[in-house]
Amino acid sequence: EPEVTQTPSHQVTQMGQEVILRCVPISNHLYFYWYRQILGQKVEFLVSFYNNEISEKSEIFDDQFSVERPDGSNFTLKIRSTKLEDSAMYFCASSARSRAGGLETQYFGPGTRLLVL
Amino acid sequence: AQSVSQHNHHVILSEAASLELGCNYSYGGTVNLFWYVQYPGQHLQLLLKYFSGDPLVKGIKGFEAEFIKSKFSFNLRKPSVQWSDTAEYFCAVNARNTGNQFYFGTGTSLTVIP
Repeated sequence: EPEVTQTPSHQVTQMGQEVILRCVPISNHLYFYWYRQILGQKVEFLVSFYNNEISEKSEIFDDQFSVERPDGSNFTLKIRSTKLEDSAMYFCASSARSRAGGLETQYFGPGTRLLVL
Repeated sequence: AQSVSQHNHHVILSEAASLELGCNYSYGGTVNLFWYVQYPGQHLQLLLKYFSGDPLVKGIKGFEAEFIKSKFSFNLRKPSVQWSDTAEYFCAVNARNTGNQFYFGTGTSLTVIP
Protein backbone atom coordinates (compact mmCIF):
# COMPACT_ATOMS: atom_id res chain seq x y z
CA GLU A 1 0.00 0.00 0.00
CA PRO A 2 1.39 3.44 -0.87
CA GLU A 3 2.47 5.56 2.04
CA VAL A 4 3.69 9.01 2.93
CA THR A 5 7.31 9.09 4.02
CA GLN A 6 9.14 11.75 6.02
CA THR A 7 12.79 12.46 6.68
CA PRO A 8 14.49 12.79 9.01
CA SER A 9 12.66 10.91 11.71
CA HIS A 10 14.40 13.01 14.37
CA GLN A 11 16.11 16.37 14.16
CA VAL A 12 17.92 18.24 16.89
CA THR A 13 18.89 21.83 16.21
CA GLN A 14 20.07 24.95 17.97
CA MET A 15 17.71 27.86 18.45
CA GLY A 16 17.97 30.28 15.54
CA GLN A 17 19.04 27.65 13.03
CA GLU A 18 17.13 26.79 9.91
CA VAL A 19 15.61 23.37 9.47
CA ILE A 20 14.04 21.69 6.48
CA LEU A 21 11.66 18.82 7.00
CA ARG A 22 11.06 16.62 4.02
CA CYS A 23 8.05 14.65 2.93
CA VAL A 24 7.33 12.41 -0.02
CA PRO A 25 3.55 12.30 -0.49
CA ILE A 26 1.70 9.49 -2.21
CA SER A 27 2.52 9.78 -5.88
CA ASN A 28 -0.90 10.51 -7.39
CA HIS A 29 -2.00 12.88 -4.64
CA LEU A 30 -2.32 16.56 -5.34
CA TYR A 31 -3.14 18.03 -1.93
CA PHE A 32 -0.46 18.32 0.70
CA TYR A 33 -0.50 19.35 4.33
CA TRP A 34 1.70 19.97 7.31
CA TYR A 35 0.51 19.55 10.88
CA ARG A 36 2.34 19.71 14.14
CA GLN A 37 1.78 18.16 17.52
CA ILE A 38 3.53 19.56 20.56
CA LEU A 39 4.23 16.84 23.11
CA GLY A 40 1.08 16.03 25.03
CA GLN A 41 -1.08 18.35 22.99
CA LYS A 42 -3.43 18.09 20.05
CA VAL A 43 -2.67 17.92 16.34
CA GLU A 44 -2.59 21.45 14.90
CA PHE A 45 -3.03 22.36 11.27
CA LEU A 46 -0.21 24.43 9.78
CA VAL A 47 -0.73 24.70 6.04
CA SER A 48 -2.31 23.12 2.99
CA PHE A 49 -0.78 23.22 -0.48
CA TYR A 50 -2.30 22.61 -3.88
CA ASN A 51 -1.29 23.45 -7.43
CA ASN A 52 2.06 24.79 -6.31
CA GLU A 53 0.69 27.31 -3.90
CA ILE A 54 -0.57 27.58 -0.36
CA SER A 55 -4.32 27.00 -0.12
CA GLU A 56 -4.79 27.78 3.54
CA LYS A 57 -2.62 28.40 6.53
CA SER A 58 -3.15 28.75 10.22
CA GLU A 59 -2.04 31.48 12.60
CA ILE A 60 0.88 29.28 13.60
CA PHE A 61 2.24 29.41 10.07
CA ASP A 62 3.95 32.79 10.31
CA ASP A 63 6.78 34.29 8.28
CA GLN A 64 9.27 31.88 9.82
CA PHE A 65 7.62 29.01 7.98
CA SER A 66 7.58 28.23 4.29
CA VAL A 67 6.66 25.28 2.15
CA GLU A 68 7.89 24.19 -1.20
CA ARG A 69 7.47 21.43 -3.71
CA PRO A 70 10.91 21.65 -5.29
CA ASP A 71 10.43 18.72 -7.65
CA GLY A 72 7.69 16.30 -8.57
CA SER A 73 7.96 14.22 -5.45
CA ASN A 74 9.18 16.13 -2.40
CA PHE A 75 7.18 18.51 -0.24
CA THR A 76 9.23 20.46 2.28
CA LEU A 77 8.58 22.56 5.35
CA LYS A 78 11.26 25.09 6.20
CA ILE A 79 11.55 26.86 9.52
CA ARG A 80 13.88 29.79 9.00
CA SER A 81 14.97 30.58 12.52
CA THR A 82 13.84 27.97 14.97
CA LYS A 83 12.53 28.84 18.41
CA LEU A 84 12.30 26.64 21.47
CA GLU A 85 8.53 26.48 21.07
CA ASP A 86 8.91 24.95 17.60
CA SER A 87 9.86 21.68 19.28
CA ALA A 88 7.15 19.26 18.22
CA MET A 89 6.30 16.32 16.01
CA TYR A 90 5.64 17.51 12.47
CA PHE A 91 3.34 15.42 10.33
CA CYS A 92 2.99 15.60 6.58
CA ALA A 93 -0.18 14.38 4.91
CA SER A 94 -1.45 14.05 1.38
CA SER A 95 -4.80 13.53 -0.19
CA ALA A 96 -6.49 13.04 -3.53
CA ARG A 97 -9.77 14.47 -4.74
CA SER A 98 -12.71 12.19 -4.19
CA ARG A 99 -14.96 11.21 -7.06
CA ALA A 100 -17.91 11.96 -4.80
CA GLY A 101 -16.63 15.50 -4.30
CA GLY A 102 -14.39 16.97 -1.69
CA LEU A 103 -11.25 15.21 -0.64
CA GLU A 104 -10.35 11.63 -0.08
CA THR A 105 -8.78 10.40 3.09
CA GLN A 106 -5.68 12.18 4.29
CA TYR A 107 -2.75 9.83 4.61
CA PHE A 108 -0.26 10.80 7.25
CA GLY A 109 3.45 10.25 7.37
CA PRO A 110 5.20 8.90 10.46
CA GLY A 111 6.35 12.38 11.48
CA THR A 112 9.59 14.17 12.20
CA ARG A 113 10.34 14.86 15.82
CA LEU A 114 12.03 18.25 16.02
CA LEU A 115 13.86 19.31 19.15
CA VAL A 116 15.11 22.87 19.40
CA LEU A 117 17.74 23.48 22.07
CA ALA B 1 -15.08 28.83 8.85
CA GLN B 2 -16.00 25.28 9.62
CA SER B 3 -15.35 23.89 13.05
CA VAL B 4 -15.38 20.47 14.61
CA SER B 5 -16.27 19.86 18.24
CA GLN B 6 -15.40 16.85 20.29
CA HIS B 7 -17.04 17.28 23.64
CA ASN B 8 -15.34 14.42 25.45
CA HIS B 9 -11.76 15.41 26.13
CA HIS B 10 -10.81 12.47 28.32
CA VAL B 11 -12.66 9.19 28.61
CA ILE B 12 -11.71 6.37 30.92
CA LEU B 13 -13.41 3.01 30.54
CA SER B 14 -12.97 -0.51 31.77
CA GLU B 15 -12.43 -3.27 29.25
CA ALA B 16 -15.66 -4.56 27.68
CA ALA B 17 -17.47 -1.30 28.33
CA SER B 18 -19.22 0.37 25.42
CA LEU B 19 -17.81 3.53 23.89
CA GLU B 20 -19.39 6.51 22.26
CA LEU B 21 -17.37 9.59 21.35
CA GLY B 22 -19.19 12.67 20.17
CA CYS B 23 -18.32 14.74 17.13
CA ASN B 24 -20.27 17.72 15.85
CA TYR B 25 -19.40 19.99 13.00
CA SER B 26 -20.60 23.36 11.86
CA TYR B 27 -21.12 23.45 8.12
CA GLY B 28 -24.40 23.41 6.28
CA GLY B 29 -23.20 21.91 3.03
CA THR B 30 -22.15 18.45 2.00
CA VAL B 31 -19.25 17.02 3.94
CA ASN B 32 -16.90 14.08 4.00
CA LEU B 33 -16.38 12.82 7.54
CA PHE B 34 -13.50 10.93 9.10
CA TRP B 35 -12.34 9.44 12.35
CA TYR B 36 -8.63 9.04 12.92
CA VAL B 37 -6.84 7.26 15.73
CA GLN B 38 -3.40 7.96 17.14
CA TYR B 39 -1.95 5.17 19.27
CA PRO B 40 0.74 6.16 21.76
CA GLY B 41 3.92 7.09 19.93
CA GLN B 42 2.42 6.54 16.50
CA HIS B 43 1.02 8.73 13.76
CA LEU B 44 -2.56 9.28 12.75
CA GLN B 45 -4.34 6.40 11.08
CA LEU B 46 -7.75 6.29 9.48
CA LEU B 47 -10.41 4.41 11.44
CA LEU B 48 -13.35 5.01 9.16
CA LYS B 49 -14.88 7.53 6.81
CA TYR B 50 -18.25 8.58 5.46
CA PHE B 51 -18.79 10.09 2.04
CA SER B 52 -22.32 9.05 1.10
CA GLY B 53 -24.80 6.18 1.30
CA ASP B 54 -25.60 4.26 4.47
CA PRO B 55 -25.09 6.73 7.34
CA LEU B 56 -23.87 3.92 9.59
CA VAL B 57 -20.31 3.15 8.57
CA LYS B 58 -18.10 0.42 9.86
CA GLY B 59 -14.38 0.78 10.24
CA ILE B 60 -11.45 -1.23 11.42
CA LYS B 61 -11.16 -2.94 14.80
CA GLY B 62 -14.90 -3.08 15.43
CA PHE B 63 -15.49 0.68 15.34
CA GLU B 64 -18.49 2.23 13.69
CA ALA B 65 -19.85 5.73 13.32
CA GLU B 66 -23.25 7.15 12.52
CA PHE B 67 -23.79 10.26 10.47
CA ILE B 68 -26.89 12.16 11.56
CA LYS B 69 -27.27 15.03 9.15
CA SER B 70 -29.98 16.81 11.12
CA LYS B 71 -27.73 16.93 14.17
CA PHE B 72 -24.51 17.68 12.28
CA SER B 73 -23.01 14.77 14.15
CA PHE B 74 -20.74 11.83 13.40
CA ASN B 75 -20.35 9.92 16.64
CA LEU B 76 -17.93 7.05 17.00
CA ARG B 77 -18.99 3.87 18.75
CA LYS B 78 -17.62 0.54 19.78
CA PRO B 79 -19.72 -2.01 21.69
CA SER B 80 -16.87 -3.46 23.73
CA VAL B 81 -13.53 -1.72 24.12
CA GLN B 82 -10.20 -3.39 24.68
CA TRP B 83 -7.08 -2.22 26.43
CA SER B 84 -5.44 -1.86 23.01
CA ASP B 85 -7.99 0.83 22.10
CA THR B 86 -6.20 3.26 24.40
CA ALA B 87 -5.37 6.14 22.08
CA GLU B 88 -6.30 9.64 20.93
CA TYR B 89 -9.29 9.83 18.63
CA PHE B 90 -9.77 12.69 16.20
CA CYS B 91 -12.82 13.55 14.19
CA ALA B 92 -12.24 15.42 10.91
CA VAL B 93 -14.43 17.09 8.34
CA ASN B 94 -13.82 18.10 4.77
CA ALA B 95 -16.42 20.38 3.21
CA ARG B 96 -16.87 19.26 -0.37
CA ASN B 97 -17.31 22.57 -2.07
CA THR B 98 -15.05 24.87 -0.11
CA GLY B 99 -11.34 24.41 -0.23
CA ASN B 100 -8.91 21.70 0.55
CA GLN B 101 -8.79 21.89 4.28
CA PHE B 102 -9.50 19.11 6.70
CA TYR B 103 -10.84 20.45 9.98
CA PHE B 104 -9.84 18.37 12.97
CA GLY B 105 -11.49 18.28 16.33
CA THR B 106 -9.37 18.74 19.43
CA GLY B 107 -9.36 15.02 20.02
CA THR B 108 -10.53 12.68 22.74
CA SER B 109 -8.08 10.79 24.86
CA LEU B 110 -9.39 7.30 25.60
CA THR B 111 -7.86 5.21 28.36
CA VAL B 112 -9.07 1.64 28.72
CA ILE B 113 -8.33 0.00 32.03
CA PRO B 114 -7.72 -3.75 31.91
